[in-house]
Amino acid sequence: GGIITQTPKFLIGQEGQKLTLKCQQNFNHDTMYWYRQDSGKGLRLIYYSITENDLQKGDLSEGYDASREKKSSFSLTVTSAQKNEMAVFLCASTTGTAPYAEQFFGPGTRLTVL
Amino acid sequence: AQKVTQTQTSISVMEKTTVTMDCVYETQDSSYFLFWYKQTASGEIVFLIRQDSYKKENATVGHYSLNFQKPKSSIGLIITATQIEDSAVYFCAMRERYNTGNYKYVFGAGTRLKVIA
Repeated sequence: GGIITQTPKFLIGQEGQKLTLKCQQNFNHDTMYWYRQDSGKGLRLIYYSITENDLQKGDLSEGYDASREKKSSFSLTVTSAQKNEMAVFLCASTTGTAPYAEQFFGPGTRLTVL
Repeated sequence: AQKVTQTQTSISVMEKTTVTMDCVYETQDSSYFLFWYKQTASGEIVFLIRQDSYKKENATVGHYSLNFQKPKSSIGLIITATQIEDSAVYFCAMRERYNTGNYKYVFGAGTRLKVIA
């Protein structure tokens, strides 16, 4: 088994601030994902990475940067936080490129922008 | 682009009954994979069950089963003998292929299930 950890659990920032969220997995999975979930809504893909140093934009990448410097970690940066922005950011991973592989999710980082 | 639609926003059922949650999808791929995930009140998301498009038999795991109707592009989740702890949001998802040969997931909006004692 393995686990995905996300830090911090809660993140409060100011408008215009640059904020970084971190994700670590010990599954030794190749592919990692960042999703945004707004209250009561589904998951929207921000970025994903199929291997170390690879980055692929999702449907919601504008306003975000990502970094995959190690296989086990994947960071997401909110480049300029928007006032009243509130969402949960979820990190996930999956093994290789097998199309049948399910995703494993982290516990999420809840972002509030004042 | 592929699309996954869950039209039921919220369902309430009595404990120990059976519930079906609907999901329809759109895809151009001849071979694809459909998933159901559960998100608990704490926010934790866990994988429940998967259906491979080339398999005719419906997948079953514990008290979860699927109603796969390929001609209708439909993949319903059936929970039998529901328990209070089944109360959660259930997401339908499809694995979508990219030209690079890599895959990403497309999620539906989710259905909130409330099981009443």
